[in-house]
Amino acid sequence: QKEVEQNSGPLSVPEGAIASLNCTYSDRGSQSFFWYRQYSGKSPELIMSIYSNGDKEDGRFTAQLNKASQYVSLLIRDSQPSDSATYLCAVNFFSGGYNKLIFGAGTRLAVHP
Amino acid sequence: DVKVTQSSRYLVKRTGEKVFLECVQDMDHENMFWYRQDPGLGLRLIYFSYDVKMKEKGDIPEGYSVSREKKERFSLILESASTNQTSMYLCASTRVAGPSTDTQYFGPGTRLTVL
Repeated sequence: QKEVEQNSGPLSVPEGAIASLNCTYSDRGSQSFFWYRQYSGKSPELIMSIYSNGDKEDGRFTAQLNKASQYVSLLIRDSQPSDSATYLCAVNFFSGGYNKLIFGAGTRLAVHP
Repeated sequence: DVKVTQSSRYLVKRTGEKVFLECVQDMDHENMFWYRQDPGLGLRLIYFSYDVKMKEKGDIPEGYSVSREKKERFSLILESASTNQTSMYLCASTRVAGPSTDTQYFGPGTRLTVL
């Protein structure tokens, strides 16, 4: 069974701080990794994708990938109350001739003023 | 902008009813997916389709079927709804044909309650 694990939270950080969200996955062959943000009652929206080891930055967001440790993270700098949401980690798995995305259960982030 | 629409935001059905959930995307995407999302379990793949008339089972296909008669439309069917199918159902699509790791774009979701 392919797995993607996330701490469910809630992760509570003060406004302006760095929020660090973590994700581990079970399949060493995975090549593509995604972070989605989901507001309550809404559908997931893509924030970042990362395919190579190292860091990838986009505005206040940085995704970090370490394939050897099977670990991907998302850093949110200068956290704002509007960042309060559930963050879903998604990892591709190749199975039965198809690529599928497996999602973690999500980490709930709460940014308080 | 990619637009994925779902026929209903909220739906209430009775046990044993046949239920149709419709998904339409307007960007000529090749691949379409149906997920359900439950608290603590994340998104789980029910069925997917890489082409018209093509369908493949995902991780939890039991109790569901799908139809893709046209490229832009992917329907999820609950042949005989049961209370354990109460969930949020999300449709997604990707541009690239065939198996890929292209970005998935999600519809707004349908919250289905089966009484």
